[in-house]
Amino acid sequence: GDSVTQMEGPVTLSEEAFLTINCTYTATGYPSLFWYVQYPGEGLQLLLKATKADDKGSNKGFEATYRKETTSFHLEKGSVQVSDSAVYFCALSSRFSGGYQKVTFGTGTKLQVIP
Amino acid sequence: SAVISQKPSRDICQRGTSLTIQCQVDSQVTMMFWYRQQPGQSLTLIATANQGSEATYESGFVIDKFPISRPNLTFSTLTVSNMSPEDSSIYLCSVPYGEETQYFGPGTRLLVL
Repeated sequence: GDSVTQMEGPVTLSEEAFLTINCTYTATGYPSLFWYVQYPGEGLQLLLKATKADDKGSNKGFEATYRKETTSFHLEKGSVQVSDSAVYFCALSSRFSGGYQKVTFGTGTKLQVIP
Repeated sequence: SAVISQKPSRDICQRGTSLTIQCQVDSQVTMMFWYRQQPGQSLTLIATANQGSEATYESGFVIDKFPISRPNLTFSTLTVSNMSPEDSSIYLCSVPYGEETQYFGPGTRLLVL
């Protein structure tokens, strides 16, 4: 079945440091890929997405590129801020017959940015 | 985008009791999903709820423990029955939006003592 593997946290960075959170996936067919973010005490928010190979999703300074050859979707940001402290989830979406959509999540990576 | 609300936002319950969580969406949707997020863990899909039919449960989840109602296209409930401390989790509903995206509710934080 489908699966998502992302780097374990927590990741602690100083403000303005470069961020990479690794994510690899296993799926049949051609899934869409996502990064969701969960701020403390809140629900999940969609951060960015990519729907086909070589697509780059971007939002709020975060970027991720859909790499089919390496089955990866690593999240990057050039300069993190304290307000980026949250848990980040990599996910993929597969479509089954009849339009049924299933999302598979990674285990989440907690990011803590210190001033 | 879809606006999703959940009630209650959090609750503390005694073991052996049941809690019903409500999910309200501001637009009509065919499918709604219920997830569980155990402490420090990722999200696990409990079931898919379609209006007018029985919910479809994922492996490891059964209707007797997590009965779901879907009375109309904007509303669903999930009941956590005969609770134990292991049921302490965040429960989230979500709806599909577009072809691949899902929007999530804010979650219900449940603590079972």
